[in-house]
Amino acid sequence: ETGVTQSPTHLIKTRGQQVTLRCSSQSGHNTVSWYQQALGQGPQFIFQYYREEENGRGNFPPRFSGLQFPNYSSELNVNALELDDSALYLCASSSPASGDNEQFFGPGTRLTVL
Amino acid sequence: KQEVTQIPAALSVPEGENLVLNCSFTDSAIYNLQWFRQDPGKGLTSLLLIQSSQREQTSGRLNASLDKSSGRSTLYIAASQPGDSATYLCAVLPYTGANSKLTFGKGITLSVRP
Repeated sequence: ETGVTQSPTHLIKTRGQQVTLRCSSQSGHNTVSWYQQALGQGPQFIFQYYREEENGRGNFPPRFSGLQFPNYSSELNVNALELDDSALYLCASSSPASGDNEQFFGPGTRLTVL
Repeated sequence: KQEVTQIPAALSVPEGENLVLNCSFTDSAIYNLQWFRQDPGKGLTSLLLIQSSQREQTSGRLNASLDKSSGRSTLYIAASQPGDSATYLCAVLPYTGANSKLTFGKGITLSVRP
């Protein structure tokens, strides 16, 4: 069984640029959630995708957007990067139909905005 | 609005000590609670998941308990080892299904001294 993978591992961008982060869900999971974790904080929910549709959104502006593909992999896009976007971005896959709905996280992408 | 608190923020113990990490949450209407481990700069590793109907779960030297009515969970680590040094986060899921998201505490950074 393949776990959750994310790419790239690290990324450095400058203010105003755009970035795309990628996540491959664990086999059999049809739901993916994205979280932002600032240094010293717990992860904060960005949004969730289920069957290629956005399924819920946290308190993040529209310049944070996403996609989910038929194979359940997912992308997080951030436009007009700001310094405060520097964080660890985590994706989690799950299968609500599994009963316990355990969330499995990837290794994260460390984004630095200069 | 659900709030999750983990106190203290950091803990240092000598090797071999049994220890308890605390987690409290304000809204007892939860579906499950997960404990995660996070090594510096890395993703989250799920340690234990407790369903709302359960009182505890065990895995090796780890035991997690849940008292939903009082809004508390504890993670017990027996015979701590230097390799247990990491940040431990708890998170609650309010329900299963659409738009359900994890709410995290800020974590407890554990250091086990040899």
